[in-house]
Amino acid sequence: AQSVTQLGSHVSVSEGALVLLRCNYSSSVPPYLFWYVQYPNQGLQLLLKYTTGATLVKGINGFEAEFKKSETSFHLTKPSAHMSDAAEYFCAVSDTLDMRFGAGTRLTVKP
Amino acid sequence: GAVVSQHPSWVICKSGTSVKIECRSLDFQATTMFWYRQFPKQSLMLMATSNEGSKATYEQGVEKDKFLINHASLTLSTLTVTSAHPEDSSFYICSAPRTSGDQETQYFGPGTRLLVL
Repeated sequence: AQSVTQLGSHVSVSEGALVLLRCNYSSSVPPYLFWYVQYPNQGLQLLLKYTTGATLVKGINGFEAEFKKSETSFHLTKPSAHMSDAAEYFCAVSDTLDMRFGAGTRLTVKP
Repeated sequence: GAVVSQHPSWVICKSGTSVKIECRSLDFQATTMFWYRQFPKQSLMLMATSNEGSKATYEQGVEKDKFLINHASLTLSTLTVTSAHPEDSSFYICSAPRTSGDQETQYFGPGTRLLVL
């Protein structure tokens, strides 16, 4: 069985500050890991994904995430937050059968 | 406990038949629900936005006549895969937003795995 835990349902940062959204997973097989962003009244958009190879994955909008097997983590970061980054972020893990989501983290960006 | 359910969780059908998947919000009303499909180890793909009382909004490339969506009530949206073929085999997930005050939380269903023989 696989599962995802997102630490912090709500994260607030100032514009220009570092964004760090935490995600830990459990999986019985090598996982495929995803980060999605959702804006109000819209469906999910893929930010980035890890499959195999390089553990530091770069995504859209300046986001990146690092797969750390020893820590079973896949935290999402962005060096400098922008007002447009305010949204809900979901971490997900997938194996050969299905996908499981974390509960989501709401990111607020203060001017 | 789960706040969005999907039924069935697994379905196997013969090619050419139609399959209906239900998505229910269990203790809240959802005027909007989202339908996704996912292939193994790949990202989700948004298929359509289901709107209660009106037509669904389909994403580009998704066949409306193939994937029929009906959002007949504030707690139920259905996705019918018509004349299913093996290439329709996939994992289908729905989600529904729940609003409390000015906060909106997205809840995902557990998914439905469809295998078309």
